[in-house]
Amino acid sequence: GENVEQHPSTLSVQEGDSAVIKCTYSDSASNYFPWYKQELGKGPQLIIDIRSNVGEKKDQRIAVTLNKTAKHFSLHITETQPEDSAVYFCAAKETSYDKVIFGPGTSLSVIP
Amino acid sequence: DAGVIQSPRHEVTEMGQEVTLRCKPISGHNSLFWYRQTMMRGLELLIYFNNNVPIDDSGMPEDRFSAKMPNASFSTLKIQPSEPRDSAVYFCASTVLAVGSYEQYFGPGTRLTVT
Repeated sequence: GENVEQHPSTLSVQEGDSAVIKCTYSDSASNYFPWYKQELGKGPQLIIDIRSNVGEKKDQRIAVTLNKTAKHFSLHITETQPEDSAVYFCAAKETSYDKVIFGPGTSLSVIP
Repeated sequence: DAGVIQSPRHEVTEMGQEVTLRCKPISGHNSLFWYRQTMMRGLELLIYFNNNVPIDDSGMPEDRFSAKMPNASFSTLKIQPSEPRDSAVYFCASTVLAVGSYEQYFGPGTRLTVT
């Protein structure tokens, strides 16, 4: 089955700097890669996703890149703000299944 | 819409007791997922339903765990008997499984503590 790894497990940046979180997946059949943000005391919430026929996707200050050959995908947050502090999860979904497999999460702290 | 509703938000129980967690998915969603979140194991999928039918329960840890979805607007996750290692936050999520649509909407979670 699919296995998703995520690095780093914790990340601390100064407000205004960029943050990058990287993930790898194991199953080449996966074709959908969402990113979820979980704030303290809340459930995860989708912030951006990318499909296997696209190499990059951007939404305001966040962007995701996908390298299918290397089975890598990354989340980039620019001009970080204190409200970006949260746990971020990457995930991968196989073509023939409805479930997504989540990575272990990255705790991001943005220091004012 | 109020989003996914879970109850209770917090549950404290003694080892050996039965625990029932409840979930009301977003109206119109046809799939429902139960997850368990711990520091050690992260976010684990326990079971998911499509059109009220259990599709994959391979994540259910053992026979003490059971889940039902009697109709499109209600699901339960039951633990009987509960053990201290079941302490975790349990999330329910729902989605509309359709071509090109995979976003899962998570509830606020139920924090379970078994003493």
